[in-house]
Amino acid sequence: ETGVTQSPTHLIKTRGQQVTLRCSSQSGHNTVSWYQQALGQGPQFIFQYYREEENGRGNFPPRFSGLQFPNYSSELNVNALELDDSALYLCASSRRTGRSTDTQYFGPGTRLTVL
Amino acid sequence: AQKITQTQPGMFVQEKEAVTLDCTYDTSDPSYGLFWYKQPSSGEMIFLIYQGSYDQQNATEGRYSLNFQKARKSANLVISASQLGDSAMYFCAMREKSGAAGNKLTFGGGTRVLVKP
Repeated sequence: ETGVTQSPTHLIKTRGQQVTLRCSSQSGHNTVSWYQQALGQGPQFIFQYYREEENGRGNFPPRFSGLQFPNYSSELNVNALELDDSALYLCASSRRTGRSTDTQYFGPGTRLTVL
Repeated sequence: AQKITQTQPGMFVQEKEAVTLDCTYDTSDPSYGLFWYKQPSSGEMIFLIYQGSYDQQNATEGRYSLNFQKARKSANLVISASQLGDSAMYFCAMREKSGAAGNKLTFGGGTRVLVKP
């Protein structure tokens, strides 16, 4: 069983640029969630995708957007990068079954540095 | 308002001893789930254990057990027989509804554990 993978591992951008982060969900999972983790803090929920549609969003501005593809992989796009966007971006996949567990399994993350 | 509180920013534990990590939560939803994740320095969040709000018994997974006290709204993680590889950040998280039918995780601030040989 293939786990959650993310690319790239590290990324350095400058203010104002745009970035795309990618995530492949675990085999059998149909839901992808994205989180931002600033240094020394717990992850913060950005949004979740299910059946290629956004299904819940945290307190992030519209310049954070995403996509989910038919194979359940996902992209996170961030426009007009700001210094505060520097963080570890974590992708998590889960299988929506209607049961209460719906455990989210995380990828290794993409560390974004904005200069 | 803080929904997940982890009051111990860091702790040392002797190898082979047990350690308890505290977590308190706040929710008005009768149906919720509580998770513990481990985050080594590599960054990946590793799922450890889950407790549902309606579960009658405390969850256990190998050396991990969850001390669930619903009335006190606490879900403490107990790691027995600590190993050097247990050195990491540990996060408590609560599943909450997001959007029409989705679920999101709300995390606490984490506790750093360092196991001493």
